Amino acid sequence: GAGVSQTPSNKVTEKGKYVELRCDPISGHTALYWYRQSLGQGPEFLIYFQGTGAADDSGLPNDRFFAVRPEGSVSTLKIQRTERGDSAVYLCASSLSPKRAREGYTFGSGTRLTVV
Amino acid sequence: AQSVTQLDSQVPVFEEAPVELRCNYSSSVSVYLFWYVQYPNQGLQLLLKYLSGSTLVKGINGFEAEFNKSQTSFHLRKPSVHISDTAEYFCAVSDIISNTGKLIFGQGTTLQVKP
Repeated sequence: GAGVSQTPSNKVTEKGKYVELRCDPISGHTALYWYRQSLGQGPEFLIYFQGTGAADDSGLPNDRFFAVRPEGSVSTLKIQRTERGDSAVYLCASSLSPKRAREGYTFGSGTRLTVV
Repeated sequence: AQSVTQLDSQVPVFEEAPVELRCNYSSSVSVYLFWYVQYPNQGLQLLLKYLSGSTLVKGINGFEAEFNKSQTSFHLRKPSVHISDTAEYFCAVSDIISNTGKLIFGQGTTLQVKP
């Protein structure tokens, strides 16, 4: 597609439930990033994929968070046993390569997750 | 490790006035520097970047920024703002060595342009 697509755009879930957030990067982009943006804050890095593998997952806050990219294109961020503190906008970004990522990414519009 | 501090959470300014959004960073290694803009209900858009070379960089929509290594700053400026510049602005750094492209963002500055 023309840009990075994230679905759903909004998700409301009950505390304790499991959620999946999807990211469709720009076709051919091998580098994919997930960030979390809490209200009034800048985005915080969660995880970076190069191809199918997670090259850096140092930003995942705990073991309730997990992300996959099985075929090197679409990625899914999975959150188990959601908590109210997980409420945030989850942003995905992609780049042609890690080297090109130095020049800036293309971000999606994000998924706003609300845990009630 | 790196950190980014945006010194002003909100900057109100009248239309056609000049504006400066301040950004300071801390890092033990060399970094690349970025400014991103986020319009309401939209994703982040790259405004400009400093990778190397001239310390004055120009971006889209008439914005420019100057890298000052001695002061570890990368302030964003525009000589005359428009109502349409109202948005959230984020300064970010990426370390050169790790080569992952991971960004560390500041807390953001809300630019409010008044008529």
